[in-house]
Amino acid sequence: KAGVTQTPRYLIKTRGQQVTLSCSPISGHRSVSWYQQTPGQGLQFLFEYFSETQRNKGNFPGRFSGRQFSNSRSEMNVSTLELGDSALYLCASSLAVSGRLSYNEQFFGPGTRLTVL
Amino acid sequence: AQKITQTQPGMFVQEKEAVTLDCTYDTSDPSYGLFWYKQPSSGEMIFLIYQGSYDQQNATEGRYSLNFQKARKSANLVISASQLGDSAMYFCAMRETNQGGKLIFGQGTELSVKP
Repeated sequence: KAGVTQTPRYLIKTRGQQVTLSCSPISGHRSVSWYQQTPGQGLQFLFEYFSETQRNKGNFPGRFSGRQFSNSRSEMNVSTLELGDSALYLCASSLAVSGRLSYNEQFFGPGTRLTVL
Repeated sequence: AQKITQTQPGMFVQEKEAVTLDCTYDTSDPSYGLFWYKQPSSGEMIFLIYQGSYDQQNATEGRYSLNFQKARKSANLVISASQLGDSAMYFCAMRETNQGGKLIFGQGTELSVKP
């Protein structure tokens, strides 16, 4: 079974540009969550998508957005990039069927390392 | 308020010895899950072990076990027989039932295994 894939793996952009990152979850997984990891702030939750709907959102400005497609693949977009957006962006997928034990496995992709110059 | 606390920024352990990485958490949700992840220098987060709040027994996965003390709100990771490949960052995370798939992470512990 293929794992979570993220593209691209590395990205260099300049301030003011926008960027789109992609995440393909494990086959059959319906939930995709996105995280930002920086040395200063650690791992912070961006948002979660489930069945094409945003289910939860972290405390990030509106420049950060995402969506999920019918095949559960997800994209996140950052507009008007700032230097502080340089980070490792990780996505995680989980099966997320109904029930309180549905999230007992959350698998991460290899991440996209974004550098903003 | 910090919901996940990992008080050991860095730890050293001799190869083949056991090591315990500490994690305490705070939640008012009676139903939650606790996770441990390993992050090597490559950046990928590797799922190690999961403990549900209603699980009666401590979780184990190979050389990894979770010492779950619910009353003390602690979920320490025990790695037995450390290997050089265990050198990495280790993160404790929590999911609260009413928060969907959102994970709250601790600051991590950097483990170095000495030959």
